[in-house]
Amino acid sequence: GAVVSQHPSWVICKSGTSVKIECRSLDFQATTMFWYRQFPKQSLMLMATSNEGSKATYEQGVEKDKFLINHASLTLSTLTVTSAHPEDSSFYICSVAGALDNEQFFGPGTRLTVL
Amino acid sequence: LAKTTQPISMDSYEGQEVNITCSHNNIATNDYITWYQQFPSQGPRFIIQGYKTKVTNEVASLFIPADRKSSTLSLPRVSLSDTAVYYCLVGERIGNNDMRFGAGTRLTVKP
Repeated sequence: GAVVSQHPSWVICKSGTSVKIECRSLDFQATTMFWYRQFPKQSLMLMATSNEGSKATYEQGVEKDKFLINHASLTLSTLTVTSAHPEDSSFYICSVAGALDNEQFFGPGTRLTVL
Repeated sequence: LAKTTQPISMDSYEGQEVNITCSHNNIATNDYITWYQQFPSQGPRFIIQGYKTKVTNEVASLFIPADRKSSTLSLPRVSLSDTAVYYCLVGERIGNNDMRFGAGTRLTVKP
């Protein structure tokens, strides 16, 4: 399967600042990537589908102006949490879509803590 | 409406076989069944995927009855390192309101 990395692995920021999280597909050309959010002791929630060269598709209830997604190349998608607040503190995980529609490979996740 | 239902938690002991069942009564014809394992503060890891009958790999087996309304992940001879959350996903494609993560099953393996 694809090898996926995320950077940073953890970040702490002040309330009101913006934070960018990178998701890289190291050995696979990723036309489609997915962004998930996971709160403690909860399951993964799909936030958005990121397509290379086009606008991301956001899930219902996810603010597109707050969670900016850019997928400018086949190996990199970024998620920017704008004007972060403590309630945005979470574990953010990206995944890369594989060759099959139901196949995905996950990154290691990024722990965001907003003070 | 959740597509899958799993037990919230299970306990086992080292060396035992563990079977985790997932109910998916509304599974569609084109849906596949996929299981993931997640350790704390890590991304999920693919375990196994199947459509019908039985699938086996070096890590686990997946049993799917003929009506496909449920599936059972079987982990042979578990060890302490198998303590994790196991998720069952059902769907044809990711996104499009399909293939969502349910609550998962928290497996605790005891010495």
